[in-house]
Amino acid sequence: GAVVSQHPSWVICKSGTSVKIECRSLDFQATTMFWYRQFPKQSLMLMATSNEGSKATYEQGVEKDKFLINHASLTLSTLTVTSAHPEDSSFYICSAPGLGLYEQYFGPGTRLTVT
Amino acid sequence: AQSVAQPEDQVNVAEGNPLTVKCTYSVSGNPYLFWYVQYPNRGLQFLLKYITGDNLVKGSYGFEAEFNKSQTSFHLKKPSALVSDSALYFCAVRDNGGNKLVFGAGTILRVKS
Repeated sequence: GAVVSQHPSWVICKSGTSVKIECRSLDFQATTMFWYRQFPKQSLMLMATSNEGSKATYEQGVEKDKFLINHASLTLSTLTVTSAHPEDSSFYICSAPGLGLYEQYFGPGTRLTVT
Repeated sequence: AQSVAQPEDQVNVAEGNPLTVKCTYSVSGNPYLFWYVQYPNRGLQFLLKYITGDNLVKGSYGFEAEFNKSQTSFHLKKPSALVSDSALYFCAVRDNGGNKLVFGAGTILRVKS
């Protein structure tokens, strides 16, 4: 089946620094990828839709300048958390629509801790 | 707007017993419904989907779900639970006109031996 990878799987950074998270579709091309945020024991919240070759579409309330998304190729989308603060600590998950009908394939997630 | 509700925060079941994790939906148009499972510190794994056709959908790991239009429900079931089924389960519905998924709050399933 379709595989989506994320890197890194976990990262600790200091407040004020920026962190980049990569999302790759390993055996298929994805013109669209989705970025979610998940707090402990809570559901996934869609942050933005990443579109290959064009600007990302952000959900209401998500700061575009803080969460920079780049979808430079058909297999790679990146999420950069700029000027990270402790409240940005969370589990970030990406997904991509698969070749089959309607389902999405999810990456393993990235645990971000900002100290 | 499309939405799903998972009324139970947690479901406890003994190993070997049948399990049900509940989900109800609210959609305009045809519902495209999904179940995903998440193990600790992992991404989501696809279990099954309902798009059209038979109301009983069979999925991965012995799970199945029954689509009930009159009750607007899509409950996840398994005839005999395993301890390894313990995880967080999400019901989701596809947003109209796009590929976005709207997730329920999630239900923790605990299977005890």
